[in-house]
Amino acid sequence: GEDVEQSLFLSVREGDSSVINCTYTDSSSTYLYWYKQEPGAGLQLLTYIFSNMDMKQDQRLTVLLNKKDKHLSLRIADTQTGDSAIYFCAGAHDYKLSFGAGTTVTVRA
Amino acid sequence: DAGVIQSPRHEVTEMGQEVTLRCKPISGHNSLFWYRQTMMRGLELLIYFNNNVPIDDSGMPEDRFSAKMPNASFSTLKIQPSEPRDSAVYFCASSFYNLGKQETQYFGPGTRLLVL
Repeated sequence: GEDVEQSLFLSVREGDSSVINCTYTDSSSTYLYWYKQEPGAGLQLLTYIFSNMDMKQDQRLTVLLNKKDKHLSLRIADTQTGDSAIYFCAGAHDYKLSFGAGTTVTVRA
Repeated sequence: DAGVIQSPRHEVTEMGQEVTLRCKPISGHNSLFWYRQTMMRGLELLIYFNNNVPIDDSGMPEDRFSAKMPNASFSTLKIQPSEPRDSAVYFCASSFYNLGKQETQYFGPGTRLLVL
């Protein structure tokens, strides 16, 4: 199966940009996803990118994909306290999603 | 749409008891997934159904775990007998699969299981 790695923690000041990084091993992943998990809640789909794209922007979210380096990032502009959560990247190959361990983002005032 | 519905949201039980977790997928979706989330192992796929048929159950831990999908709108995950190491959050997810393409998986709120 695919290995997906993420940094475990990120602390960011309110109003700044957050960048969450992810690396993956399986270059045949067709889609790469970002999910958000708030405390005690399920996984909420944030955004995704098709493997033949380099960038996708959706309001405050920007996803960058570097296929050569197998590196995926999620940038959150103007980070708010409501953005505090665990963020998971996941690679999809057919029906299988391989998740990273999750990055806990803490937004400080 | 109500999204994926899971019940119960929380379950506390004693070792040896039977536990049944329930899931209602999003209407129109034909794929259903059961995941387990623990601190040690992260998110693991337990079983995948397509059109109510189990396609991949390689992630089911052992014979104590069983899953059924009697119709397109309902699935159960059963643990019998339960053990303390089964304590985890169990998620159900659903998506649509057509013409060789699996679309985005949408997750339910999860069932938090504690086995004492």
